[in-house]
Amino acid sequence: DIQLTQSPSTLSASIGDRVTITCRASQIISPWLAWYQQKPGKAPKLLIYKASSLESGVPSRFSGSGSGTEFTLTISSLQPDDFATYYCQHYNSYPWMFGQGTKVEIK
Amino acid sequence: QVQLQESGPGLVKPSETLSLTCTVSGDSISGSISDYYWSWIRQTPGRGLEWIGYVYYIGSTNYNPSLKGRVTISVDRSNNQFSLQLSSVTAADTAVYYCARQKKDSGGWFWPFDIWGQGTMLTVSS
Repeated sequence: DIQLTQSPSTLSASIGDRVTITCRASQIISPWLAWYQQKPGKAPKLLIYKASSLESGVPSRFSGSGSGTEFTLTISSLQPDDFATYYCQHYNSYPWMFGQGTKVEIK
Repeated sequence: QVQLQESGPGLVKPSETLSLTCTVSGDSISGSISDYYWSWIRQTPGRGLEWIGYVYYIGSTNYNPSLKGRVTISVDRSNNQFSLQLSSVTAADTAVYYCARQKKDSGGWFWPFDIWGQGTMLTVSS
């Protein structure tokens, strides 16, 4: 199985901050990497697919980059609605796996 | 607009079989323009998000090997539903269970989960 490791596990930030979350894969998965946002009591919401493509309707302050085994999710200017947990997920090969999550908290 | 809605018992006894159903509304489970696959995913505080498996509208399936032997996913096209059965459950199967949709493109590549149900909490306890 291809494992995904996210860092950091928790991130404290302020409104307007630039935030970066990293996802490292145990094998090459490029470009089959997605990012999701999850708020308490809700299902995950797709933000980014194919490592860097923005899902329709997602604000442009979210961006994804990376290739091979290392990927990043960047929020260019953190907004109040962005405090949530973020997950990466690969869909390169079975079984599809998720990272353990990064919680973005208010500083 | 496609929506997914999970339904299930909420509580199952250890060693019994868990059964959940996902109802698809807003589109046919058989798909329209693109090919869609229908998955079950669960989430626990300890293990995070775990993909369980998927079913295609013709009934073909693929399961996570970590659960193979205990899981069956089936489709009911007449009712626009798909279902999860997980046998011999233990407390470790206590989780929020989600159903979700993903696309497979003409090149044979899967896309990530773009539509999710709201999730249903399933507790295994005597």
